[in-house]
Amino acid sequence: KQEVTQIPAALSVPEGENLVLNCSFTDSAIYNLQWFRQDPGKGLTSLLLIQSSQREQTSGRLNASLDKSSGRSTLYIAASQPGDSATYLCAAGDSGSARQLTFGSGTQLTVLP
Amino acid sequence: DGGITQSPKYLFRKEGQNVTLSCEQNLNHDAMYWYRQDPGQGLRLIYYSQIVNDFQKGDIAEGYSVSREKKESFPLTVTSAQKNPTAFYLCASRRSGSGTDTPYFGPGTRLTVL
Repeated sequence: KQEVTQIPAALSVPEGENLVLNCSFTDSAIYNLQWFRQDPGKGLTSLLLIQSSQREQTSGRLNASLDKSSGRSTLYIAASQPGDSATYLCAAGDSGSARQLTFGSGTQLTVLP
Repeated sequence: DGGITQSPKYLFRKEGQNVTLSCEQNLNHDAMYWYRQDPGQGLRLIYYSQIVNDFQKGDIAEGYSVSREKKESFPLTVTSAQKNPTAFYLCASRRSGSGTDTPYFGPGTRLTVL
């Protein structure tokens, strides 16, 4: 059974800093790896999706990498802003037809002005 | 605008009562999902449906029931058999067979048992 772990559980950084969020998964036979953002009391917003055949994806100040062999993914946020404050969740997608996602517990990010 | 809606936003239930959470999407997506989120935890899958009139149990289906009579709708009933139903419930949809495989999430329903 897939298990996804995110460390740290919470992170506080000053505005402008570059930062890395970590995600690890136990079963490397994934279909994809996805990163989501969740604001307090809200639903999830998709940030980046990396297919199992890819090594990274970029969107603006965000870059996500995937290393299947080591069971790790990282989300890099450049030049952080207070508006980036949220909880970031990663999820490993399985290869079944339902494409079920196994979620980590998230990293709560606070960017201080 | 296409999207996925959930209602109500907040729901209060007395012990022993069944309650139904609504989830509607106009994205023409085939697959729909229900997740439960507890504080400080990730999402756990309750039920999912890949096609009308068919659905499958997820990891924590006990005490919950669903129906999928229409493509647009996937209501979740929290029954009295669910011993600890207080949580944040999220509905999602996805276009089956899509290469992008990005699910779209609703805004969530927070259920509190009084």
